[in-house]
Amino acid sequence: EPEVTQTPSHQVTQMGQEVILRCVPISNHLYFYWYRQILGQKVEFLVSFYNNEISEKSEIFDDQFSVERPDGSNFTLKIRSTKLEDSAMYFCASRGTGVRTDTQYFGPGTRLTVL
Amino acid sequence: DQQVKQNSPSLSVQEGRISILNCDYTNSMFDYFLWYKKYPAEGPTFLISISSIKDKNEDGRFTVFLNKSAKHLSLHIVPSQPGDSAVYFCAAFNSGGSNYKLTFGKGTLLTVNP
Repeated sequence: EPEVTQTPSHQVTQMGQEVILRCVPISNHLYFYWYRQILGQKVEFLVSFYNNEISEKSEIFDDQFSVERPDGSNFTLKIRSTKLEDSAMYFCASRGTGVRTDTQYFGPGTRLTVL
Repeated sequence: DQQVKQNSPSLSVQEGRISILNCDYTNSMFDYFLWYKKYPAEGPTFLISISSIKDKNEDGRFTVFLNKSAKHLSLHIVPSQPGDSAVYFCAAFNSGGSNYKLTFGKGTLLTVNP
């Protein structure tokens, strides 16, 4: 069964450094998302992406964040200058067309630790 | 801003019995609801969904009930199995928006005891 994959599974970085989190969505999906979950808190929406542009972003998704679909398979989240409070699990999700257009399928997540 | 609430942080049931997980929402624009299951160190796994035009949806051992007037939904697992032990998230979105962004509850940790 097709699945969303994410790399790396764990990223440790120093405050102020740039990180890029990578995702490979399900191949025929058209809608892509990033969510994050700070330890002990809810899963929160960050950004949605469709047709090569951001379709919606939350207030968390400030100028330090950017997303890109550099080729036909990858979807990346970049944090330009990481802060301690960016430490969280970051989940990529994708949604397709056809029978289950309503359902987002999630990757296993990247645990980002900012020191 | 808790638009989706799961008021029970944990639930413990015996194997073979029914598990009932509850979820309340406040945003009347939500018209589609999903349940996800999450094991430690994994991403949320889709379980079952329901549209607001229905009041029940069933898939094997899993049934979701929606009470729109009460803004309440519940997930029933019958019979419960030890492998069902996980965190269960309720999520909702407004299908009238183009993005289907999900709003999640805090989750309920279900423990099924053998």
